[in-house]
Amino acid sequence: EDQVTQSPEALRLQEGESSSLNCSYTVSGLRGLFWYRQDPGKGPEFLFTLYSAGEEKEKERLKATLTKKESFLHITAPKPEDSATYLCAVRHRGSTLGRLYFGRGTQLTVWP
Amino acid sequence: DTEVTQTPKHLVMGMTNKKSLKCEQHMGHRAMYWYKQKAKKPPELMFVYSYEKLSINESVPSRFSPECPNSSLLNLHLHALQPEDSALYLCASSQDLGDNTEAFFGQGTRLTVV
Repeated sequence: EDQVTQSPEALRLQEGESSSLNCSYTVSGLRGLFWYRQDPGKGPEFLFTLYSAGEEKEKERLKATLTKKESFLHITAPKPEDSATYLCAVRHRGSTLGRLYFGRGTQLTVWP
Repeated sequence: DTEVTQTPKHLVMGMTNKKSLKCEQHMGHRAMYWYKQKAKKPPELMFVYSYEKLSINESVPSRFSPECPNSSLLNLHLHALQPEDSALYLCASSQDLGDNTEAFFGQGTRLTVV
């Protein structure tokens, strides 16, 4: 059973059309939730870490929020260069030391 | 500087070859990781090194052999691989194994086994 579920699997947006990506988790004792951006054939690029419900972080057009069961990555007025796969990962109380549990990602395409 | 450098970027090897993947970081991190990522799948953890000692081996076949020569370097030695081992191999590092440390990834080595 997946511990981290991301939705939608794929999202197509027109440039400037704001939307949100979802990451829900079923683990208990969350120790950290991490958002990454991954371009095709490249390694994941770190974006945000969230630790407690109610926490929010922003970077340019991206804003990440966290509740007790899920996280949202809000994209405001996206541009084509925001096209990538966005990965969510968690550490929890039962995690083997250092291990990140990844979701399957949301593939975002922003067209002009 | 949050850079993890992996070499080579691409590698094609035969099933009888021996090759090595290299990873380097200069952030003073004491934990380093190898992940494997197949197309359209999330990264899967293979090995974790902490303070140059192997902490986790996720039941990876012995044809993959990690080595951590010092705190900045992590190698992955490959021998007698199978075509299904073709994937993107990612190295990552973090300050330590604490819960509140971010992992930073390299750009990966695209491995093709023929």
